[in-house]
Amino acid sequence: GENVEQHPSTLSVQEGDSAVIKCTYSDSASNYFPWYKQELGKGPQLIIDIRSNVGEKKDQRIAVTLNKTAKHFSLHITETQPEDSAVYFCAAPEPAGANNLFFGTGTRLTVIP
Amino acid sequence: NAGVTQTPKFQVLKTGQSMTLQCAQDMNHEYMSWYRQDPGMGLRLIHYSVGAGITDQGEVPNGYNVSRSTTEDFPLRLLSAAPSQTSVYFCASSFLLAGGNEQFFGPGTRLTVL
Repeated sequence: GENVEQHPSTLSVQEGDSAVIKCTYSDSASNYFPWYKQELGKGPQLIIDIRSNVGEKKDQRIAVTLNKTAKHFSLHITETQPEDSAVYFCAAPEPAGANNLFFGTGTRLTVIP
Repeated sequence: NAGVTQTPKFQVLKTGQSMTLQCAQDMNHEYMSWYRQDPGMGLRLIHYSVGAGITDQGEVPNGYNVSRSTTEDFPLRLLSAAPSQTSVYFCASSFLLAGGNEQFFGPGTRLTVL
């Protein structure tokens, strides 16, 4: 199956600064890379995803970049706000298996007001 | 739309007891799955289904059973609970799409096995 590694495990930034979370994956056949945000006591929620036919995707303050050659993708959050504080997970699919996802171990982001 | 619903929200079991975690979705999604979330380990896939009557194992299936008799429901059964099954369990669903698709998660069930 897919092996997804995520760094860092914790990240603290000042409000207004940028945050970057990085993930690597093992299976070069993977073509879909989502990022989920999990707030305390809730289920994960998709915030952005990218498919391998593009190298970057943006949605307001959030962007994801993908380097298929190096097999890594990153989440970029600009102008961070206190409500961005949460746990973020990257994931990659099992290429031959339905919609199954393999998740990274998560990054706890704290935005300091 | 209620989305993905899970019951109960919290449960405490004694070792050896059995129970069923309920999951339902009202989005007509073909794909449903169960994950467990443990500290420092992310989410790991237990079982999944690509349609009514079809189920298969994920990464960590031992000690769990599933069935899918309708599109809407996907219950997870613990046959004989063990302390190692103490975890937070999430159900998720999505439309099937080659390569992967957005999964919608339920609010989770926090299970403690004593």
